[in-house]
This record gives sequence, C-alpha cells and structure tokens, in this order.
Amino acid sequence: ETGVTQTPRHLVMGMTNKKSLKCEQHLGHNAMYWYKQSAKKPLELMFVYNFKEQTENNSVPSRFSPECPNSSHLFLHLHTLQPEDSALYLCASSTSYGADEQFFGPGTRLTVL
Amino acid sequence: EDQVTQSPEALRLQEGESSSLNCSYTVSGLRGLFWYRQDPGKGPEFLFTLYSAGEEKEKERLKATLTKKESFLHITAPKPEDSATYLCAVSGTASKLTFGTGTRLQVTL
Repeated sequence: ETGVTQTPRHLVMGMTNKKSLKCEQHLGHNAMYWYKQSAKKPLELMFVYNFKEQTENNSVPSRFSPECPNSSHLFLHLHTLQPEDSALYLCASSTSYGADEQFFGPGTRLTVL
Repeated sequence: EDQVTQSPEALRLQEGESSSLNCSYTVSGLRGLFWYRQDPGKGPEFLFTLYSAGEEKEKERLKATLTKKESFLHITAPKPEDSATYLCAVSGTASKLTFGTGTRLQVTL
C-alpha cells in the first residue's frame, strides 16, 4: 500500500448506529487530518493530530470522536449522527502541521439515514 | 479570517481551447498557496505549491501563477482527461489550509 488509504469507502448508517472510519498513511508523515466535504461547500477541517497529539478541533460536534494511536493511523468514531452529517470524509497527512502540501486519501462516502 | 474565492464555478471547454481558472485570496501571512485536482468520488490530488508573488510552476498542460491577491491556473490545449474539479487553498499564520469551493472543468471532444 502506498500513500493514504481509507476504509470503508462507502458507509450507510442509521442515526442510532455506532461506526468508525479508518485512515492509514504510508508516507512517514507526522500530521494527520480529518476533513468533511459537502456538496457546494469548501472542505471543512475537523481535526488535526501532530505527532499523535490533537492540535485542532474545529468546533466539531461530540458525536464525532477522533483517535490517533500512532503517527500512521487515524480513526473517526461516529455515533448518533444526523442526516446532515452525510458527506465525503477525507483523511490527509503531511510531514508536520503547518508544513507544505497535504496528501489526501480517497475518502469515505457516508450516508446517514 | 483567511478566505478563498474561486471562479468560475464551472467551465466547459472544447479540446484544445485554452483558458484560465482564478483563485482570489485573503490571508494573514501567506505561507503557501496550493492547487489540487479532484476527480468525482476521489480525494484531492496535489498539483502545485506557490510561495511568493511572481512564482510560476508548470506540469504538463497546467501552469500556476501567483500575485499578492490571486492565483491563476492556466490550462493550455486541454484534453478530456483534464476534466475534474480544481481546488485552491491557502495556508497562513494559522497553519491550517483554507479551501475554495473549486472550479468544475469539463473538456469535450
């Protein structure tokens, strides 16, 4: 595997379900990010981890819970979501927070029924 | 607060018809301006980073330029495979990337 991978690629869940999104980067980077992408809106930064420490939480509702066990893995735990949370969730990584370009995974298309 | 505005929202070109995409920005302490390409259902793919006014970068049919207020992505003699959404983003003193809503480009035969 190379680059940034995300699983699952597609997820359909009910509002009472609990699920997790997984991201893994094979680039040796130290910063990892979660973004939300909705139609007609810019990418919204949700969380940033730099050297496994959370450095940004962009006023994200508590029904989204991130976890970063090491510099290569990032999770987004989901519970009691709302239909408006349906979107493409993108993971990205960079050499460190504030460094140059970020490299993105393919995303997880989430649908909340 | 950093802001990025991209225009046009959508652009349809015939193969070989050159054009430019615009990215206007306001940022506190520009650290870098980034261009990405995004295909439907996929994550953004990094294209260029520009750091200072006057800088230019090229890759195949794409050329990115930067001034103090805007960046242009010039597409020369585009092909159908250049069809995608092109995203612009800036990074300032706050370190995080601020993205625009993108320009959706369609190149037809």
